[in-house]
Order: sequence, then structure tokens, then C-alpha cells
Amino acid sequence: DTEVTQTPKHLVMGMTNKKSLKCEQHMGHRAMYWYKQKAKKPPELMFVYSYEKLSINESVPSRFSPECPNSSLLNLHLHALQPEDSALYLCASSQQARAGYEQYFGPGTRLTVT
Amino acid sequence: DQQVKQNSPSLSVQEGRISILNCDYTNSMFDYFLWYKKYPAEGPTFLISISSIKDKNEDGRFTVFLNKSAKHLSLHIVPSQPGDSAVYFCAASALGGTYKYIFGTGTRLKVLA
Repeated sequence: DTEVTQTPKHLVMGMTNKKSLKCEQHMGHRAMYWYKQKAKKPPELMFVYSYEKLSINESVPSRFSPECPNSSLLNLHLHALQPEDSALYLCASSQQARAGYEQYFGPGTRLTVT
Repeated sequence: DQQVKQNSPSLSVQEGRISILNCDYTNSMFDYFLWYKKYPAEGPTFLISISSIKDKNEDGRFTVFLNKSAKHLSLHIVPSQPGDSAVYFCAASALGGTYKYIFGTGTRLKVLA
């Protein structure tokens, strides 16, 4: 099973809303990632969790707050977003948070901020 | 500064022929490379990888070639099939460095039936 699942598939939220994106994997991977992808651009890394601890924050604004409740789950809490935050948010996992291990991506959550 | 570049935004190939997708990188520390395929409304799917100790890696219809001196890699798909129509991303990282993969901007491949 090489599946990473993400919910919801689509999300529309206002700038004052609070919402969460969810990601799950059951491959026993110990690294999980959040990426942001804008149209016609490559995925941009946001956060890395390694063994359930936040190891990298790529200077992401605090209106994005990641959480890793256990080794299979990864959340991204959203609050007071801006319209420019509208994008496809991708979750990925890999065996370890090191190069040499391919990352498996979920289908993404298409977020629209109004 | 784009460290990984895919200079062809799109490519059209006839079914059954070879598709060649190219990727150039500037950072000489990169020594591990991946190719991903992405369909609309789906996440990227891992296709094939290569490390710098090799200059070629094959997996079925997919072959990746690495030219370290030119800092260039290419993905060959033979024979191309209509189901291969997707956006292809290359990604690079340094095995001895951080985990972080740098993605290219992608090439949209269209395989014509």
C-alpha cells in the first residue's frame, strides 16, 4: 500500500475562518511533509516532520500551523489566511526525512481563500 | 534562483514513439534525482530515481540518464502511450546534505493517439 490520503479534496474558506487539512499514511513512514503548489509552479516545501517532531519550517507564516498527532497523521491548521494562500496543498511521506528516499504524495487539497 | 530547470514547458509525441524529457541543475552538490508524474487533480506519483554513482537506471518503459559533467538528466519513455500524458517533474537533492528536494517547473507531455 503506497497510499497517502488527504481530506478534504476541496476547501473554500473566508479570511476569518479556521479550518484544518488532514493527511494520513499507513506505510510506516517516519517522515511527513506539507507542500504548497501554485498553478504552473513546482511544489514548494512548507514543513517536515521526522519521527513526529517538526524538523523543518521553511519560513512559513504563522497563519499555517502544522501538527503531527501520531506517526500516521499530519494536520495543517489554517487561520486568517489571505487570498494569495489559495493553492493546492500536498502532503507527502517517506521512510526517512533524508534524500535517497522517495516521497509519496497524496492527491492534495485544493484551497480557495475568499 | 531556480536550481533545477525544465526548459521545455510542453512536449507532444506520437503514440509508440520515444518521449524525452530533460532536466538541468546548477548545484554540483546534488547527487540524487527523482522523476514524478502528475495528473490533473492528483498528487505527484513517483516514477524512477537515480543516484550519481550511476549514469542510467531503467524501470520498464522508463529510463533515466544522468550526465554529471553536464549537470543534466533526462527521462526516456519508450514506447509512449496516451496514458503517459501528464506533467513530469524532476527533483534533486544531496544525499549527504538535507532531505530537501528541489523540484523543476515541470514539462507537460501530450501523447497523441
